Amino acid sequence: GAGVSQSPSNKVTEKGKDVELRCDPISGHTALYWYRQRLGQGLEFLIYFQGNSAPDKSGLPSDRFSAERTGESVSTLTIQRTQQEDSAVYLCASRPRTGLSYNEQFFGPGTRLTVL
Amino acid sequence: AQRVTQPEKLLSVFKGAPVELKCNYSYSGSPELFWYVQYSRQRLQLLLRHISRESIKGFTADLNKGETSFHLKKPFAQEEDSAMYYCALISGGYQKVTFGTGTKLQVIP
Repeated sequence: GAGVSQSPSNKVTEKGKDVELRCDPISGHTALYWYRQRLGQGLEFLIYFQGNSAPDKSGLPSDRFSAERTGESVSTLTIQRTQQEDSAVYLCASRPRTGLSYNEQFFGPGTRLTVL
Repeated sequence: AQRVTQPEKLLSVFKGAPVELKCNYSYSGSPELFWYVQYSRQRLQLLLRHISRESIKGFTADLNKGETSFHLKKPFAQEEDSAMYYCALISGGYQKVTFGTGTKLQVIP
């Protein structure tokens, strides 16, 4: 089927506004990750969901960042009161539980967020 | 805590020259290690994983537990190898993934 999808592909917002980014994982993938990729920088882990376990939020940079996932489906990453330093590409990845691709992460195309 | 280190931010080599992208890790258990690649305007994708012990696009990587390294190598670089390369570690149990900061490989024609 289709790969991981993310929406919107681009988002321009004003400083102080809230934004919501969406990730649709591959069907059947139990694990879902969010990362941030600033211009010229590497991948920065944000949050990890695994099935019904409590998410690993250790990478969230501040309490303005939050994420939700219902079951093994869509996830949303919300950034409140956006700041210019939040400008980055936000990547989502999902991972299957079993099979030949076990432990391989499948990445979405990313959402490019620009905070003016 | 697990950590992945890629000491080079940028590596420039001439076409046909050997390539080695360095990756060192720290993890107390038995890790599973990966190399991911991101070509220009494409998604990040898996290049190879240490348990497969395979060569992909001429690249190989050997896990050296003594040196805690997983360097990516290719004997003869091609222009199409120019990309961003990330080393990643997945831990057992909870299976958290840790990425290195990435190395940009630039192959000069």
